Amino acid sequence: DAGVTQSPTHLIKTRGQQVTLRCSPKSGHDTVSWYQQALGQGPQFIFQYYEEEERQRGNFPDRFSGHQFPNYSSELNVNALLLGDSALYLCASSEQHRGVMELFFGEGSRLTVL
Amino acid sequence: GESVGLHLPTLSVQEGDNSIINCAYSNSASDYFIWYKQESGKGPQFIIDIRSNMDKRQGQRVTVLLNKTVKHLSLQIAATQPGDSAVYFCAENKETSYDKVIFGPGTSLSVIP
Repeated sequence: DAGVTQSPTHLIKTRGQQVTLRCSPKSGHDTVSWYQQALGQGPQFIFQYYEEEERQRGNFPDRFSGHQFPNYSSELNVNALLLGDSALYLCASSEQHRGVMELFFGEGSRLTVL
Repeated sequence: GESVGLHLPTLSVQEGDNSIINCAYSNSASDYFIWYKQESGKGPQFIIDIRSNMDKRQGQRVTVLLNKTVKHLSLQIAATQPGDSAVYFCAENKETSYDKVIFGPGTSLSVIP
């Protein structure tokens, strides 16, 4: 059973460009969350998708947008890249049940903005 | 506002000793507190969680303690092994925010063989 998979693993962009990151959730999971992790810091919640809609959003500008497809996979798009967008972008999937707060994370996409 | 933070940024322990990683939180309305482990080059991995109406929960070699009076959370690792070397994050969640998890800044645990 494949866990959460993300692509690409590494990428380099220049300021002003746009980037799309992709995520396939763990089999059976219908909820996808995206996090940004700057070097040496904890992951920061960007947004969460459920039933192809953005259900929650953290304190990130509109330059950050996303999408969830019918097969539950998801994309994160960032427009007009800034140097400060350089970070590890993590995707996490979960099931809609209560009792255990177990998010399953992918290994992330490392974005460098020059 | 919501925040979760850690007292110690780094911790070194001898192999076989017990480790204690501490965390302070400010949002008393949280329903769950969770510990994650992140090894170098990997995403965070769930270790254990505890509901806000509990004060202790045990897993395999790990115990989480919750003291709501002083808003303090700790993770105890018994018989620490080299494979336990990683960054540990405490995190919190409110049931009304579904699976949105707020992470603290992390503690780096280094196990000395």
